[in-house]
Amino acid sequence: QKEVEQNSGPLSVPEGAIASLNCTYSDRGSQSFFWYRQYSGKSPELIMSIYSNGDKEDGRFTAQLNKASQYVSLLIRDSQPSDSATYLCAVNAGGTSYGKLTFGQGTILTVHP
Amino acid sequence: GAVVSQHPSWVICKSGTSVKIECRSLDFQATTMFWYRQFPKQSLMLMATSNEGSKATYEQGVEKDKFLINHASLTLSTLTVTSAHPEDSSFYICSAVPVGRSEYEQYFGPGTRLTVT
Repeated sequence: QKEVEQNSGPLSVPEGAIASLNCTYSDRGSQSFFWYRQYSGKSPELIMSIYSNGDKEDGRFTAQLNKASQYVSLLIRDSQPSDSATYLCAVNAGGTSYGKLTFGQGTILTVHP
Repeated sequence: GAVVSQHPSWVICKSGTSVKIECRSLDFQATTMFWYRQFPKQSLMLMATSNEGSKATYEQGVEKDKFLINHASLTLSTLTVTSAHPEDSSFYICSAVPVGRSEYEQYFGPGTRLTVT
């Protein structure tokens, strides 16, 4: 059983629209949640981190966390073609799992002009 | 700031040979570095946690005798793939945590693409 699951997509949205990316996780004790962006052939780049229930906004990005439902999402407003990439959800279980991140398989996002 | 480099960026080697990959934090010191592996169209899988001055901690299923990790200084960790085989062909990525910062503030290197023929 996968610990972090994402819809692999591809998710295609028009330029200027809102892109919604979803992630579920199996470990109810998970403490920290991250969204990374990865362009093809490149390493991941941290976009957002979220640690408590609710919404966290940073520019065009909003992360949402619902620990009861074991669900975390990323909204990208005013999507741009440069946002086209694979988005990785990552979770840390906390406790003794110092810094260990479990990644989902990623969602491919395509923003078309 | 917080730049991590990897060397080489890509390498092709013959089956049975060993390959060393370096991960360097260029403008910060890192007590902890992580090594990940990513197969095509798959996500990153943590291989091991590398701590300066001590033995690496390997994830379940990762052969520590095959993937040798050395973290000899606060700016350098190396991963050696010993007796490489075609199934070891992958994208290897390291990340580093600046000393004194949250362990989740990981900065990723650009990755090393290994092809074993």
